[in-house]
Amino acid sequence: AQSVTQPDIHITVSEGASLELRCNYSYGATPYLFWYVQSPGQGLQLLLKYFSGDTLVQGIKGFEAEFKRSQSSFNLRKPSVHWSDAAEYFCAVGENRDDKIIFGKGTRLHILP
Amino acid sequence: KAGVTQTPRYLIKTRGQQVTLSCSPISGHRSVSWYQQTPGQGLQFLFEYFSETQRNKGNFPGRFSGRQFSNSRSEMNVSTLELGDSALYLCASSSGRGRDYGYTFGSGTRLTVV
Repeated sequence: AQSVTQPDIHITVSEGASLELRCNYSYGATPYLFWYVQSPGQGLQLLLKYFSGDTLVQGIKGFEAEFKRSQSSFNLRKPSVHWSDAAEYFCAVGENRDDKIIFGKGTRLHILP
Repeated sequence: KAGVTQTPRYLIKTRGQQVTLSCSPISGHRSVSWYQQTPGQGLQFLFEYFSETQRNKGNFPGRFSGRQFSNSRSEMNVSTLELGDSALYLCASSSGRGRDYGYTFGSGTRLTVV
């Protein structure tokens, strides 16, 4: 069965520093990969997605992610974080276009001023 | 363009009661998925409806059920509520065309069972 692992439950970075959130998936075929962000008390907002093609994907709010098939990873990056980026981030995977989407347990990002 | 609307936002129920949650997807979206979010288990998939048919189902007991209407609005029902059903229930809609645009989530319904 497919699974998504986000190894870091909490990450703390200083404002202005770079960020990388890790995501590993377990899947046979080329997966459909997503990153979502959730602010407290809110639903989830799609940051970016990967289906095929260029393995470096650009998203909203200055985020990008890179699909690495050999490592079964889809890490999220941002060159310089802002205090408003403090939130919980979820990696998600689907097997194909009609399959359910499975979410990782999330990484909570804290920003130091 | 209106987003995904979930009602009610908050709900308090007593153990043993049943509850119905509603989700109105983005206009034109035919797929509606439901997730349960808890601090311990994270986001767990409940079920997905596409054009009034259940297309996918998660590993939840039969007390959890759903349906979708011809206008794509969806409801989920939980019968015989247990304390462990306390959670944020999220609804997500998509165009159903290969999820080209990913899911759009509602703000959720916070269910508290006492």
